[in-house]
Amino acid sequence: DTAVSQTPKYLVTQMGNDKSIKCEQNLGHDTMYWYKQDSKKFLKIMFSYNNKELIINETVPNRFSPKSPDKAHLNLHINSLELGDSAVYFCASSQDAGSHEQYFGPGTRLTVT
Amino acid sequence: GNSVTQMEGPVTLSEEAFLTINCTYTATGYPSLFWYVQYPGEGLQLLLKATKADDKGSNKGFEATYRKETTSFHLEKGSVQVSDSAVYFCALKYGNKLVFGAGTILRVKS
Repeated sequence: DTAVSQTPKYLVTQMGNDKSIKCEQNLGHDTMYWYKQDSKKFLKIMFSYNNKELIINETVPNRFSPKSPDKAHLNLHINSLELGDSAVYFCASSQDAGSHEQYFGPGTRLTVT
Repeated sequence: GNSVTQMEGPVTLSEEAFLTINCTYTATGYPSLFWYVQYPGEGLQLLLKATKADDKGSNKGFEATYRKETTSFHLEKGSVQVSDSAVYFCALKYGNKLVFGAGTILRVKS
């Protein structure tokens, strides 16, 4: 059983397009996260939701919009894709916002051409 | 602000060599400290953690001790294996956020 799953695993698209990445966790956790990992492996948090409520919103272009339809799902929609958006995007979850351990999905490699 | 600095890689070792990956942090207060590992093509996994000064986290032969006086959390393993080849991330947690270091690539040769 996959604990945190993401789809798609790979996404290749052209500049200017709009795309979504989906994330689901079956751990019963309350808190979910989106991270961006650049080509140098640097990992930075983008957003976090706790029980469908946005609790972390880092300095991210407003072309990125997270949506949490329920606490098991956190999707990331990106409008007007740019070359600089190319990265690996990781979803993660934790028991609650104060938990020490986060469980990461396998990542979605986004390539913008 | 809160930040983590790790030694730059890649670190290349022969099997059974001793491993140290240095990590220092800057933080207000007393954060919890973590090492996460990312195997090729996978997401990050928690390797070990320490939540207060002088705590030692350990797992799979890896150890790290929370040193408040030197603001460090260095990762060590006495004898690495080829299967340890991965990217290792030091991280601290303050409030709801995990702040990661830049990651250190470890390559172990047989």
